[in-house]
Amino acid sequence: EPEVTQTPSHQVTQMGQEVILRCVPISNHLYFYWYRQILGQKVEFLVSFYNNEISEKSEIFDDQFSVERPDGSNFTLKIRSTKLEDSAMYFCASRADRSGNTIYFGEGSWLTVV
Amino acid sequence: KNQVEQSPQSLIILEGKNCTLQCNYTVSPFSNLRWYKQDTGRGPVSLTIMTFSENTKSNGRYTATLDADTKQSSLHITASQLSDSASYICVVRRSKTSYDKVIFGPGTSLSVIP
Repeated sequence: EPEVTQTPSHQVTQMGQEVILRCVPISNHLYFYWYRQILGQKVEFLVSFYNNEISEKSEIFDDQFSVERPDGSNFTLKIRSTKLEDSAMYFCASRADRSGNTIYFGEGSWLTVV
Repeated sequence: KNQVEQSPQSLIILEGKNCTLQCNYTVSPFSNLRWYKQDTGRGPVSLTIMTFSENTKSNGRYTATLDADTKQSSLHITASQLSDSASYICVVRRSKTSYDKVIFGPGTSLSVIP
């Protein structure tokens, strides 16, 4: 079964450093998402991406966040200057098309900011 | 306000017993509702998806119900197994004509003990 893959699985970074989380969505999927889950809390929507542009973003997704699909296969989330409260599990997800009802999640990238 | 609530917050049951998890939502306009299983530290995995016209849907030992009038859903797990121990998350997607966003419930933590 096709799957969404994410790297790294775990990253520790110092406060103020830039972090890039990478995702390879399922091939031929058109809609891409980033979610995050702070330890012990519920999953939160960050951003959705379609046709090479952001289609929606939450209030969490401020100017320090950016997303990019640099080469047609990877989908990245960049955090420019990390803060302690950015520590969370970040999930990438993809969906086939507008009528596709199932969003497929990756295994997540644990980000620890120290 | 678009919200998804789940109960109970946590549940402990004996192996082999049945259980029912509840989800109430105020999301509008409604497109579909999904139940996900999330093992600790892993990405959510889809169990069932239900649209407005569906009342019941089964997936093995999992049976989901939806009452779109009262905006309630339940997930019934039959003959529980130790591997069912996980967080079960109710996720509601807003209408396709609306912004492309899904709203997560806080999850029910299920522990199945021998």
